[in-house]
Amino acid sequence: DGGITQSPKYLFRKEGQNVTLSCEQNLNHDAMYWYRQDPGQGLRLIYYSQIVNDFQKGDIAEGYSVSREKKESFPLTVTSAQKNPTAFYLCASKTDTHYGYTFGSGTRLTVV
Amino acid sequence: KNQVEQSPQSLIILEGKNCTLQCNYTVSPFSNLRWYKQDTGRGPVSLTIMTFSENTKSNGRYTATLDADTKQSSLHITASQLSDSASYICVVSEADSWGKLQFGAGTQVVVTP
Repeated sequence: DGGITQSPKYLFRKEGQNVTLSCEQNLNHDAMYWYRQDPGQGLRLIYYSQIVNDFQKGDIAEGYSVSREKKESFPLTVTSAQKNPTAFYLCASKTDTHYGYTFGSGTRLTVV
Repeated sequence: KNQVEQSPQSLIILEGKNCTLQCNYTVSPFSNLRWYKQDTGRGPVSLTIMTFSENTKSNGRYTATLDADTKQSSLHITASQLSDSASYICVVSEADSWGKLQFGAGTQVVVTP
């Protein structure tokens, strides 16, 4: 079945460390997105990519980095510069139309 | 200020009862409005999508309405089941080149036996 796979489901990081969250899709979607979800708030856009080898900053890109070397993959690195990284991270992808968003199952990152 | 406001923040309903969730938005220009269901620790799953010209759409026991003039939407859950316990998120898409999404904070619904 087609879908988006995020891994790992849970991730623990020590302060000062960089960590990378994986997002893979086999839907043949061109566009991919990373969102952050905090309690009581709506999802906020971190980065997005509409085509391979191109990506744009979202509303809260500081302290994060991404790459888009393959159409299927859009990994997110949470760097030590991100001051409050503990959150639930969601990856999404969509078709060329505006209606085809699909979300992954999320990664919960906790800084210990 | 958040461009998508949902109410109530949370609600508790008895199994078998109906409930209605509200969404008000200021996003402009408007492309479409979606309702998602998100189980705890999972990604959102789409329930309905409505464009400007649609004012109601159903998906099983879920019925969404849209009034694009007043920029209001509602999600009605009929004959609630325990499995309906989740967060329901209203999402509005901007009518630009890539359809940026604006998310509400969600309404947490708890269905009790």
